[in-house]
Amino acid sequence: EVQLVESGGGLVQPGRSLRLSCAASGFTFGDYAMNWVRQAPGKGLEWVSHIDWNSGSIAYADSVKGRFSISRDNGNNSLSLQMNSLRVEDTALYYCAKESAGYSSSWPYYYYYMDAWGKGTMVTVSS
Amino acid sequence: SSELTQDPAVSVALGQTVRITCQGDSLKNYYASWYQQKAGQAPVLVIYGKDIRPSRIPDRFSGSNSGNSATLTITGAQAEDEADYYCHSRDISGNHVVFGGGTKLTVL
Repeated sequence: EVQLVESGGGLVQPGRSLRLSCAASGFTFGDYAMNWVRQAPGKGLEWVSHIDWNSGSIAYADSVKGRFSISRDNGNNSLSLQMNSLRVEDTALYYCAKESAGYSSSWPYYYYYMDAWGKGTMVTVSS
Repeated sequence: SSELTQDPAVSVALGQTVRITCQGDSLKNYYASWYQQKAGQAPVLVIYGKDIRPSRIPDRFSGSNSGNSATLTITGAQAEDEADYYCHSRDISGNHVVFGGGTKLTVL
């Protein structure tokens, strides 16, 4: 059974740092891209960051670029998100999600999907 | 603002068919994936690719794409289908991930 378990959330003051972790099991972690997705209280899903299987391709949402850093350790089946210079607006439930991809013979041909999600870890940024 | 646009709320009578739409230029390049999120729970994948359902998802859920839009259809909506639904894709460049703003489905 695929499992993703996030940890590291908590209450932190604006401007401070926090590091989130995601422990993966039940699949070959090193074969898949991973994402962090967050959800502010009462709001929708917001993509935060993506890392491909070997860390060769990394992307960030504009709202966190330059402040957050994603990394992975395939040997230990873990994903991390280093969050610096935290802002009140970073307050959210942070999910890690496993990403798969595919190709269809029909237009528009390519697809990506997040087929496993953790339960999330809550980050609250407040003074 | 999201690069994928969804109606904020939709309602459907029990047992009827409801369509939830998602629009965005990136859908000309990529299929949408769809997620169901019930209150207090993590999102669950319900449709991806060309109308592919994960094994645990009932066959009343289906998906389609046309032009710059994607549609999630629930045929014979049940009370347990009441949830928020999100579409997802890559952005037009393919480098970033995007989610729609979500549609709250109410089953009457």
